[in-house]
Amino acid sequence: DGGITQSPKYLFRKEGQNVTLSCEQNLNHDAMYWYRQDPGQGLRLIYYSQIVNDFQKGDIAEGYSVSREKKESFPLTVTSAQKNPTAFYLCASSSRALSGYTFGSGTRLTVV
Amino acid sequence: QQPVQSPQAVILREGEDAVINCSSSKALYSVHWYRQKHGEAPVFLMILLKGGEQKGHEKISASFNEKKQQSSLYLTASQLSYSGTYFCGTESGGSYIPTFGRGTSLIVHP
Repeated sequence: DGGITQSPKYLFRKEGQNVTLSCEQNLNHDAMYWYRQDPGQGLRLIYYSQIVNDFQKGDIAEGYSVSREKKESFPLTVTSAQKNPTAFYLCASSSRALSGYTFGSGTRLTVV
Repeated sequence: QQPVQSPQAVILREGEDAVINCSSSKALYSVHWYRQKHGEAPVFLMILLKGGEQKGHEKISASFNEKKQQSSLYLTASQLSYSGTYFCGTESGGSYIPTFGRGTSLIVHP
């Protein structure tokens, strides 16, 4: 079945360490997105990519980095520069502009 | 700018109806609606585009009022499975990427 796979489901890291969250899709979607979800805040856009080897900053890109070397993959790195990294991270994809998003099941990152 | 959803929370009994509103300070081009159950991924419900007024199925539908810069989600004869947090995402033209509201929590009791 087609879908988006995020791994791991739970991730613990020490403060000051970089960590990379995986996102893979087999839907053949061109566009991929990373969102951060905090309680009561809704979904906030970190980065998005509409084509391989190209990506744009979202509303809260500071302290994060991404790459899009393959259509299927859009990993997110949470760097030590991110001041409050503990959150629920969701990856999504869409086939084209103005179509619904398919979300992965998320990665809950806890930094201690 | 983040759209405003109201109410923040709704508690219903099975079979009752609910309306969730989503308002933007900007002119709208498209509105997305999603439902998220606790600890799970948001699930796409529908998207409404400028020029279209109503969409959906018999029990879950939505309207798009361009003049009021608002969309409303209608849940009719609610079922236990409707429980979750509903998010709207609004887009005002250009990037085609929605900005999401803070969500409305819906709880349906037997």
